Amino acid sequence: EAQVTQNPRYLITVTGKKLTVTCSQNMNHEYMSWYRQDPGLGLRQIYYSMNVEVTDKGDVPEGYKVSRKEKRNFPLILESPSPNQTSLYFCASSWTGGSGTEAFFGQGTRLTVV
Amino acid sequence: SQQGEEDPQALSIQEGENATMNCSYKTSINNLQWYRQNSGRGLVHLILIRSNEREKHSGRLRVTLDTSKKSSSLLITASRAADTASYFCATVGGSNTGKLIFGQGTTLQVKP
Repeated sequence: EAQVTQNPRYLITVTGKKLTVTCSQNMNHEYMSWYRQDPGLGLRQIYYSMNVEVTDKGDVPEGYKVSRKEKRNFPLILESPSPNQTSLYFCASSWTGGSGTEAFFGQGTRLTVV
Repeated sequence: SQQGEEDPQALSIQEGENATMNCSYKTSINNLQWYRQNSGRGLVHLILIRSNEREKHSGRLRVTLDTSKKSSSLLITASRAADTASYFCATVGGSNTGKLIFGQGTTLQVKP
């Protein structure tokens, strides 16, 4: 089954404690992205990757890091989480980064930073 | 940045009725996509309509696109309780970034 898998689904952590949210896709997609979803602000892209070892900033990259060492995995790293990073996070993948392709989303990670 | 507005923000109907939601966008597009999100879960792609298409059907879904007005509508016919979800339109922002720009969404409640 084609899918994007995120872990964990729920996470409560304390300010400053480094964490990683994993994302894996089994469709051999080149493009992967991370979004955060906040009430009133909608979905905003954090980082994206066009292929292995190629990543770039999205609209709200501050406080986040990513890596793309393998095509299937695209972890999101919060080196020093802060309360304003409390949000619902989604990983997505697609065949290309241009128009004309649908994106597949993970089930989401609800992060709370206290 | 948000591409546009969706209207209405919330919609409540009875099972069996039709639901129509609208989306406006700001920039020129190659295509527009619609996604569904069940409460707190991931988005699921529903349908894509290209800029040279005016209408597209998929099962109980009908999407229209008016590029002159920069607007699209999603019609769900014969709604079911399982259609209860938030619906988002999305356009591609920036070349080769994979970035989708979403509207704020319409929350649809279908009462059994």
